Amino acid sequence: NAGVTQTPKFQVLKTGQSMTLQCAQDMNHNSMYWYRQDPGMGLRLIYYSASEGTTDKGEVPNGYNVSRLNKREFSLRLESAAPSQTSVYFCASSERQHYGYTFGSGTRLTVV
Amino acid sequence: DAKTTQPTSMDCAEGRAANLPCNHSTISGNEYVYWYRQIHSQGPQYIIHGLKNNETNEMASLIITEDRKSSTLILPHATLRDTAVYYCIVRDPLQGKLIFGQGTELSVKP
Repeated sequence: NAGVTQTPKFQVLKTGQSMTLQCAQDMNHNSMYWYRQDPGMGLRLIYYSASEGTTDKGEVPNGYNVSRLNKREFSLRLESAAPSQTSVYFCASSERQHYGYTFGSGTRLTVV
Repeated sequence: DAKTTQPTSMDCAEGRAANLPCNHSTISGNEYVYWYRQIHSQGPQYIIHGLKNNETNEMASLIITEDRKSSTLILPHATLRDTAVYYCIVRDPLQGKLIFGQGTELSVKP
């Protein structure tokens, strides 16, 4: 049982390049989330998907787009990467109700 | 979602109980208290949650005051592997997202 799988684990982009971060969960969870974590900071919510077919903005959505491809997969796209988007990105999933979130191991993105 | 206040850092001796406090004076009646931890460079890990009553699981105990304005996470016998940042979060599970604050950096020392 893999839980939440994120790919890639590391990525270096040049300013202006685009890329998609992939996230998949195998726990049949309804809700999925994307967070970013800057050095020495707590996690900030970028986008979330409460259920398949829905997506909503979090605290810091600017510069990002998301797609809930199916119940298992939730991708995060950077259309034109900027140095300010250098961060560690975490994907998480949860049941609709109040049990805990399961997080992936993160994608470390550097934009130069 | 209600905001929380936690100490920035704490130390604990290995084998002793670690008591991590959290203030959430504006918590509303339908908001739960959640605790997560993040070991360096890893994704956060769910620890425990509660509404009114004290809760215990294999990882920790959660003590919530009667007025629900504060809570304490207790790690009964801290080990070096418990060194992490601990996040206290209040959230309405039916409406609110999980919003992280700064957390408490717990250092367990030999």
